[in-house]
Amino acid sequence: GENVEQHPSTLSVQEGDSAVIKCTYSDSASNYFPWYKQELGKRPQLIIDIRSNVGEKKDQRIAVTLNKTAKHFSLHITETQPEDSAVYFCAARVPANKFYFGSGTKLNVKP
Amino acid sequence: GAVVSQHPSWVICKSGTSVKIECRSLDFQATTMFWYRQFPKQSLMLMATSNEGSKATYEQGVEKDKFLINHASLTLSTLTVTSAHPEDSSFYICSGPGANYGYTFGSGTRLTVV
Repeated sequence: GENVEQHPSTLSVQEGDSAVIKCTYSDSASNYFPWYKQELGKRPQLIIDIRSNVGEKKDQRIAVTLNKTAKHFSLHITETQPEDSAVYFCAARVPANKFYFGSGTKLNVKP
Repeated sequence: GAVVSQHPSWVICKSGTSVKIECRSLDFQATTMFWYRQFPKQSLMLMATSNEGSKATYEQGVEKDKFLINHASLTLSTLTVTSAHPEDSSFYICSGPGANYGYTFGSGTRLTVV
C-alpha cells in the first residue's frame, strides 16, 4: 500500500516567520494530496489540497507544492501566527479512494 | 458543505463489553466511508473501508471480528468494538466524501476501556 512519510515531527518558529512541512509518498498512482490541521482533541480540518495535475496551489498565507516526479509535496505557511500552532498531517489518496496519512508535525508558533 | 456526524463523542466502558460508534452523513449519500484510529500523539491509521450494502474491507492487521462495521444505508455507518480491552482505548474517527476530491471527518469518538 501507500507509504507517506512526513518531516519534521516538531517545528518551532517565531511569529511572523515561515514554516515548511514536507511529505513523500510511495505510490505513483496517488492523485490527491490534502493537508489537515488538527487541534488538541478535535477532528482534523482540511486546510488546503492539491491534485496530481497541479504543481502549486496557494490560499492566502498557505501554499502547497507538488513534485510528482520526486513524489513529494510540501506545505508552506507564511507570516505564521500563534493560532497556527497545531498538529498538521499530510495525506495521499490512492485510486481506491483510501487516504494514507503522514505521521504529523507539531507546529509551535512562539509569540 | 458535507457534514459527517459522529457519536458518541466519548465513551468509557468496562473491559469485555462492546461499544458501538455511529457515523452519519447529514447532507449527502455515501456509498463508502472510512474508519480511522488515532492513538495519542500519533497519526490517523486507516482501519477499514465501509461499503454500503456489502462487507467492509479491512486494512492489514485489523481484526475484522473485533471491529465490526455495518453500512446498512447510504447515510449511516457503524463501528462496533467487540469485547473491548484497555489496548483498544483510542480516538476513533470516521470520514466520508466531501466536496470535489475532499473527504470530511466526523468529530471523533474518544474510547476509554477500563
